[in-house]
Amino acid sequence: ETGVTQSPTHLIKTRGQQVTLRCSSQSGHNTVSWYQQALGQGPQFIFQYYREEENGRGNFPPRFSGLQFPNYSSELNVNALELDDSALYLCASSLSGPTYEQYFGPGTRLTVT
Amino acid sequence: AQKITQTQPGMFVQEKEAVTLDCTYDTSDPSYGLFWYKQPSSGEMIFLIYQGSYDQQNATEGRYSLNFQKARKSANLVISASQLGDSAMYFCAMREAFSGGYNKLIFGAGTRLAVHP
Repeated sequence: ETGVTQSPTHLIKTRGQQVTLRCSSQSGHNTVSWYQQALGQGPQFIFQYYREEENGRGNFPPRFSGLQFPNYSSELNVNALELDDSALYLCASSLSGPTYEQYFGPGTRLTVT
Repeated sequence: AQKITQTQPGMFVQEKEAVTLDCTYDTSDPSYGLFWYKQPSSGEMIFLIYQGSYDQQNATEGRYSLNFQKARKSANLVISASQLGDSAMYFCAMREAFSGGYNKLIFGAGTRLAVHP
């Protein structure tokens, strides 16, 4: 059974640029959630995708957007990068429904200069 | 709104000793789930243990146990026989479920555990 994978591992971007982060969910999982973890803080929920649709969103602006593909993999896109977007971005996959655990990937560390 | 509070920014423990990491939560939902995750310096969040609000017994997973006190709204993690590899950040989290089927995890600020030889 393959776990959650994310790419790239590290990324450096300049303010104002756009970035795409990728996530492959664990085998059999149909739900993907994205979290942002700023340095020294706990992760914050960005949004969740199920059946290729966003079905829940945290307190993040529209320049944070995502996609889920038929194979349940997912992308997180961030436009007009700001310095405060520097963080570890974590992807978590699960089965649908609140009773299932979310399994996290290793994260992508984004630095915005 | 649901909230998780971890009041210990850092903890130290001697190898082979037990340690308790504190977590309190706030919710008005009668049905909820509580989680503990370990985050090593590599960044990956590793699931440790889960406690459902209706579970009658405290959850245990190997050296990890969860001291669940519902009336006090606390869900402390107990690590027995600490090992050097237990040095990491530990996060308490609560699952918040919404209509439409989606659910999210709300995390505390974390506790950094250092295990000394």
